[in-house]
Amino acid sequence: EVQLVESGGGLVQPGGSLRLSCAASGFTFSSYSMNWVRQAPGKGLEWISYISIGSSTIYYADSVKGRFTISRDNAKNSLYLQMNSLRAEDTAVYYCARDRVVGGYLPYYGMDVWGQGTTVTVSS
Amino acid sequence: QSVLTQPPSVSGAPGQRVTISCTGSSSNIGTGYDVHWYQHLPGTAPKLLIYGNNIRPSGVPDRFSGSKSGTSASLAITGLQAEDEADYYCQSYDSSLIGGIFGGGTKLTVL
Repeated sequence: EVQLVESGGGLVQPGGSLRLSCAASGFTFSSYSMNWVRQAPGKGLEWISYISIGSSTIYYADSVKGRFTISRDNAKNSLYLQMNSLRAEDTAVYYCARDRVVGGYLPYYGMDVWGQGTTVTVSS
Repeated sequence: QSVLTQPPSVSGAPGQRVTISCTGSSSNIGTGYDVHWYQHLPGTAPKLLIYGNNIRPSGVPDRFSGSKSGTSASLAITGLQAEDEADYYCQSYDSSLIGGIFGGGTKLTVL
């Protein structure tokens, strides 16, 4: 079964850090670019980051640029999101999502497999 | 303020047809970038409903259809069913922002 499972969410103080993980199974992880998408309480979906298969191409939304770092370990079938300098407005459910096509190089093709999400709460 | 504009809500009775619009600009939909649609139920993973403007993934009923023209796209749902009640999002790519973009989402209520 094709599956993505996020972990690492929790409660963190403003200014703090958190590292999210996404474990992939049921498909050749190293062949697909990956994304992080979040949904703040009462808000819509927000794309925040993209990483290509070999990590050579990385994009961020302006809202997280300079604070968040996306990475992947193809040997471990895992995607990561290092979140630093967290703010209250980063409170959200964070989803990892697979690019729809093999070997894509832009967050252009749509996302066909999603995890269930992990909740991040930034509050003092 | 989302880069892609969707109506906050739409509604329809069972069996009826509804459409959800998604309006972009010359740096995204108007450039020719594809539009994708997702169905999202609270507490669940979003589901890809339409990709490449009008293509349904395997398993998506043909009651769902997509179209694109100029700087806008639309999702149509015919034969509304109670199970269609969900949030719907359009998504594309923006060359100015150099990243993915979503619409603000549309809540569909089946009356």
